[in-house]
Amino acid sequence: EDKVVQSPLSLVVHEGDTVTLNCSYEVTNFRSLLWYKQEKKAPTFLFMLTSSGIEKKSGRLSSILDKKELFSILNITATQTGDSAIYLCATYTGTASKLTFGTGTRLQVTL
Amino acid sequence: GAGVSQSPRYKVAKRGQDVALRCDPISGHVSLFWYQQALGQGPEFLTYFQNEAQLDKSGLPSDRFFAERPEGSVSTLKIQRTQQEDSAVYLCASSRSRGSMNTEAFFGQGTRLTVV
Repeated sequence: EDKVVQSPLSLVVHEGDTVTLNCSYEVTNFRSLLWYKQEKKAPTFLFMLTSSGIEKKSGRLSSILDKKELFSILNITATQTGDSAIYLCATYTGTASKLTFGTGTRLQVTL
Repeated sequence: GAGVSQSPRYKVAKRGQDVALRCDPISGHVSLFWYQQALGQGPEFLTYFQNEAQLDKSGLPSDRFFAERPEGSVSTLKIQRTQQEDSAVYLCASSRSRGSMNTEAFFGQGTRLTVV
């Protein structure tokens, strides 16, 4: 069975800190890994990663995939209170038309 | 529309009642997915449509759950004889690609179902 594991489960940091969120996976026929930010209910898309070692960047957020070690990290620099949310990692595989999600990391950024 | 739209946003049902949850995907999106998200968990796959065809319903937890997308756009998830364990947020997502090709899925705001 496909498995996606995120760590830590929750994290509290001060505004301005840098955080690293982890996602490891064990899936059959891996195609891509996606990061979503979930505030209230709707997950919003952040990144899709398909190739190892190529960093994707959007403002203060960046992410990279390691297909040999089967993990990805999401970095957030100079955190702001608006970054407080649940960050979800998910994988697409070639065998099933669905995303398999981890349980998420709950990030709280305090003043 | 501009994004995926779900209704109602909140639904309280008495145990044993039937409910119907609606999803309006992004116009032109071929793929539509339903997910169930329990409190403190990541979304769990329920079912997948490619246009009007339901290609994967392996995640539906029981035969009380039924989904349709008759014209390949709007979809309805129906839960019959609701039970307390059905309480969750039901998320709909759509994407422009077929299945697991490499494009992102966009999610709606979800419907929070509470069964009392």
